[in-house]
Amino acid sequence: GENVEQHPSTLSVQEGDSAVIKCTYSDSASNYFPWYKQELGKGPQLIIDIRSNVGEKKDQRIAVTLNKTAKHFSLHITETQPEDSAVYFCAASYIGNEKLTFGTGTRLTIIP
Amino acid sequence: GAGVSQSPRYKVAKRGQDVALRCDPISGHVSLFWYQQALGQGPEFLTYFQNEAQLDKSGLPSDRFFAERPEGSVSTLKIQRTQQEDSAVYLCASSLLRRVQETQYFGPGTRLLVL
Repeated sequence: GENVEQHPSTLSVQEGDSAVIKCTYSDSASNYFPWYKQELGKGPQLIIDIRSNVGEKKDQRIAVTLNKTAKHFSLHITETQPEDSAVYFCAASYIGNEKLTFGTGTRLTIIP
Repeated sequence: GAGVSQSPRYKVAKRGQDVALRCDPISGHVSLFWYQQALGQGPEFLTYFQNEAQLDKSGLPSDRFFAERPEGSVSTLKIQRTQQEDSAVYLCASSLLRRVQETQYFGPGTRLLVL
């Protein structure tokens, strides 16, 4: 089955700086890669996703890049703000397999 | 609009007790998923419904775990004879259509502690 690895496990950045979180996946059939943000005591919330037919997607301060050859994808957050502090999860799935396989999470702390 | 709701939010059970966790998906959502999230880990898939049909239960860890969605809306995850290793947050998610890779919307989860 699919295996998703995520790095780093913790990340601290100064407010206003950029944050990058990286994930690798094992199954070349995977073609859908969402990113979720989870705040304390809440369920994961989708912040951006990318499908394998594109290499990059951007939504305001958040962007995701995908390298299918290397089987890795990354989340980029620019101009970080205190409210960006949370745990971020990457995930992967493929057509015909509805379930998401999640990474182990990155705890992002924005230092004011 | 209303999101996915789960109840109870917290449940403490003695080892060996049976528990039932409820999920109310977003109205009209066809697909419903259950995930288990251990402390400090990512969610792990348990089972998936399309309407009332349970299409995938490959993630259920043992035959003590049972899920149902009899009318294609509300779902219940039941755990029989709870063990300490069952302690985790149980997340429910729903998506609008059967079409693959629809956005999954998560509820707040039920935190289960087995003593």
